[in-house]
Amino acid sequence: AQSVTQLDSHVSVSEGTPVLLRCNYSSSYSPSLFWYVQHPNKGLQLLLKYTSAATLVKGINGFEAEFKKSETSFHLTKPSAHMSDAAEYFCVVTASGGSYIPTFGRGTSLIVHP
Amino acid sequence: DVKVTQSSRYLVKRTGEKVFLECVQDMDHENMFWYRQDPGLGLRLIYFSYDVKMKEKGDIPEGYSVSREKKERFSLILESASTNQTSMYLCASSNLYQETQYFGPGTRLLVL
Repeated sequence: AQSVTQLDSHVSVSEGTPVLLRCNYSSSYSPSLFWYVQHPNKGLQLLLKYTSAATLVKGINGFEAEFKKSETSFHLTKPSAHMSDAAEYFCVVTASGGSYIPTFGRGTSLIVHP
Repeated sequence: DVKVTQSSRYLVKRTGEKVFLECVQDMDHENMFWYRQDPGLGLRLIYFSYDVKMKEKGDIPEGYSVSREKKERFSLILESASTNQTSMYLCASSNLYQETQYFGPGTRLLVL
């Protein structure tokens, strides 16, 4: 069994300040972890993924995430927010050895103030 | 550039109508998915297909059926639309083991 918890439904930051979106997971198998972004009225786009290589993963648009097995976390960060980062972000887990059906978190809405 | 397309961006239907949502991918992916997205609930899996004519129920299959006659096309069918099926519907595809999903732009369905 697997599950994902996104700890904040909304995160509000000012432009130019750091972004932290939190994600905890549970999985009976070795997990693969993903962050997707959804801009208003659009489909989801892959930001980055962890698949058992380096624990610090770099993605598009300056985002990165660190896989911490001891904390079962995969938090998404960015050093400096842009207005264009305002969107919905989803943390996702799949498990090799499992069914490969992804499990989605409920999403975190990132609000960026000028 | 990979592409997943959905037949409609916006759709308005009446209660009791039969509704077809079509999804096409051009990446020769084995896996295809239908999700519905509602505020505060994230994405919930309706059905999943891992091959032509093969399907598995997701978390919320009630009131829906699917069809996959060709590898590139995955259809979602609402046999008798109800107001509680008003939602955003997202289609996705993935390679059998790569796990990265590619999403279509979504269909916003309103059932009156």
